Amino acid sequence: QVQLQESGPGLVKPSQTLSLTCTVSGGSISSGGYYWSWIRQHPGKGLEWIGYISYSGSTYYNPSLKSRVTISIDTSKIQFSLKLTSVTAADTAVYYCARVDSSGFYEINYWGQGTLVTVSS
Amino acid sequence: QSVLTQPPSVSEAPRQRVTISCSGSSSNIGNNAVNWYQHLPGKAPKLLIYYDDLLPSGISDRFSGSKSGTSASLAISGLQSEDEADYYCAAWDDSLNGVVFGGGTKLTVL
Repeated sequence: QVQLQESGPGLVKPSQTLSLTCTVSGGSISSGGYYWSWIRQHPGKGLEWIGYISYSGSTYYNPSLKSRVTISIDTSKIQFSLKLTSVTAADTAVYYCARVDSSGFYEINYWGQGTLVTVSS
Repeated sequence: QSVLTQPPSVSEAPRQRVTISCSGSSSNIGNNAVNWYQHLPGKAPKLLIYYDDLLPSGISDRFSGSKSGTSASLAISGLQSEDEADYYCAAWDDSLNGVVFGGGTKLTVL
């Protein structure tokens, strides 16, 4: 059973960089057919796709965040990571890592539990 | 402002049937599969329906999905109190090259 787990600071100061890591267990991150993704949910709001990375390192980002986002992958550690620079209070959200099935119908069968990141001084 | 449009809330009595709509465009719903997720507070979203109308293993057949053109619907029959949750539609968007979500619909079982 594939499991994803987010980790990282729960509090980030304005203008700093938000860094989260997603550790994958029970499956490989090195095979094709999946987009390893980050998704967030602002308090009381809906889900917002941030971006994804493939096992080969190809990335795509939400245009609204593209200038501030970097997603990377470490296949040796079976992890992928999110960096969001120059954060503001508007980046306060629950951040989820997830596996999108790119060889299927882009469904998300596996999600992390989510981690709340608060941007505040 | 979400790319896909859902009603913010719906409500219905126990044992009744409710539908949740999801409207998109030709770059997402009109050209790609629609997936539905159930999201309970404090938990990870759960896949309910994929490829418009297919049920993942373990999902009750009280849930069903349909799609026509650039719109899709989720139906829940025999409503139970445990169905109270937020429901999201999602689809791949060819223009964005990513997944787009609806704004979510909060289901209240009266």
